[in-house]
Amino acid sequence: GIQVEQSPPDLILQEGANSTLRCNFSDSVNNLQWFHQNPWGQLINLFYIPSGTKQNGRLSATTVATERYSLLYISSSQTTDSGVYFCAVATGGTSYGKLTFGQGTILTVHP
Amino acid sequence: EAQVTQNPRYLITVTGKKLTVTCSQNMNHEYMSWYRQDPGLGLRQIYYSMNVEVTDKGDVPEGYKVSRKEKRNFPLILESPSPNQTSLYFCASSFGVGTEAFFGQGTRLTVV
Repeated sequence: GIQVEQSPPDLILQEGANSTLRCNFSDSVNNLQWFHQNPWGQLINLFYIPSGTKQNGRLSATTVATERYSLLYISSSQTTDSGVYFCAVATGGTSYGKLTFGQGTILTVHP
Repeated sequence: EAQVTQNPRYLITVTGKKLTVTCSQNMNHEYMSWYRQDPGLGLRQIYYSMNVEVTDKGDVPEGYKVSRKEKRNFPLILESPSPNQTSLYFCASSFGVGTEAFFGQGTRLTVV
């Protein structure tokens, strides 16, 4: 099946700093999403981005499907950004809509 | 508000006592699925459903059952729970292949 690798595994920032999270995947995808898992365990949708660039406030994401990677940018980080960030992809075909998740990036933002 | 609702949010039960975790979505989505999240293993798909009365196994279906009698509901059934089913469970839904998936709030299950 498809492999999804996220980097870095851990990231510690001071409030106000910027960061870039990366997601590499091993095959063509028809779905790519970024999620934030908050301290209560909830998975929050950040972006649905199988290709192209999107922005939502301090967050933006870019997926270069032909090169099989996606980037999540967090600017002016806040303590509430802390948590785990997941990239998840789907390939269709026999795996019909199944999302394969990366192992996540644990982000800690200190005040 | 468009949402996927799971219940209960937290559950502690004993080995062998049948339980059901409910999942309901109000977005008229055709595709629904269940995942479990475990430390070191990440999120893995348990079962999925492409539409009413159409279900199939995901990567880790052993010990679980599902049903899809109505489009909006997709309950997860543990007939005889065991401690290795202690996990964080998520229900998800989407319109179909390649479309954005939305997740429920999660159900934290402990089997003792």
